[in-house]
Amino acid sequence: DVKVTQSSRYLVKRTGEKVFLECVQDMDHENMFWYRQDPGLGLRLIYFSYDVKMKEKGDIPEGYSVSREKKERFSLILESASTNQTSMYLCASSFGRVKTQYFGPGTRLLVL
Amino acid sequence: GQSLEQPSEVTAVEGAIVQINCTYQTSGFYGLSWYQQHDGGAPTFLSYNALDGLEETGRFSSFLSRSDSYGYLLLQELQMKDSASYFCAYGGATNKLIFGTGTLLAVQP
Repeated sequence: DVKVTQSSRYLVKRTGEKVFLECVQDMDHENMFWYRQDPGLGLRLIYFSYDVKMKEKGDIPEGYSVSREKKERFSLILESASTNQTSMYLCASSFGRVKTQYFGPGTRLLVL
Repeated sequence: GQSLEQPSEVTAVEGAIVQINCTYQTSGFYGLSWYQQHDGGAPTFLSYNALDGLEETGRFSSFLSRSDSYGYLLLQELQMKDSASYFCAYGGATNKLIFGTGTLLAVQP
């Protein structure tokens, strides 16, 4: 079974803090994705990566950056957290051209 | 632009059949996927249609009509545990998916 893990289930941070969200997958998938999920807005893609050190902007990259130094790990960075970044953050991975994505359990981030 | 539309909420009773529709607008279409998400949980893959027609997986079926830019998820013999949000998503030429805003299915006894 594919396993995607995220470093925290719940996180509380203060405005202006630098926040790191970590995601690790154990199936050697090339593709990794970061989404945020807000009520009524579905899943919106922040960034994705096709390979180590490769990254592409999704639909809402502003205020975020990512890092993929190893194939199994994809990090989402909030350089200076703001209250409007309070959300559920979901990581996912997929293999090659296969469309099926496997999701982690999510991190619920509260920025005060 | 690229978008998917699905109803925001659907209610049905246990044992019934329910259909969740999804219409899409996109340039470059490589198939329609469906995901289920229980409250507080992660989305999980249900089905994928690359070609027109019906795909069946147990109580769940998914249909695609590329000429109509339309698909649906059919859930039969509804159970209380089917109460969840259901998302359609399409894939384009890249490996990313575009998700709809989700349909909240409430199954009542």
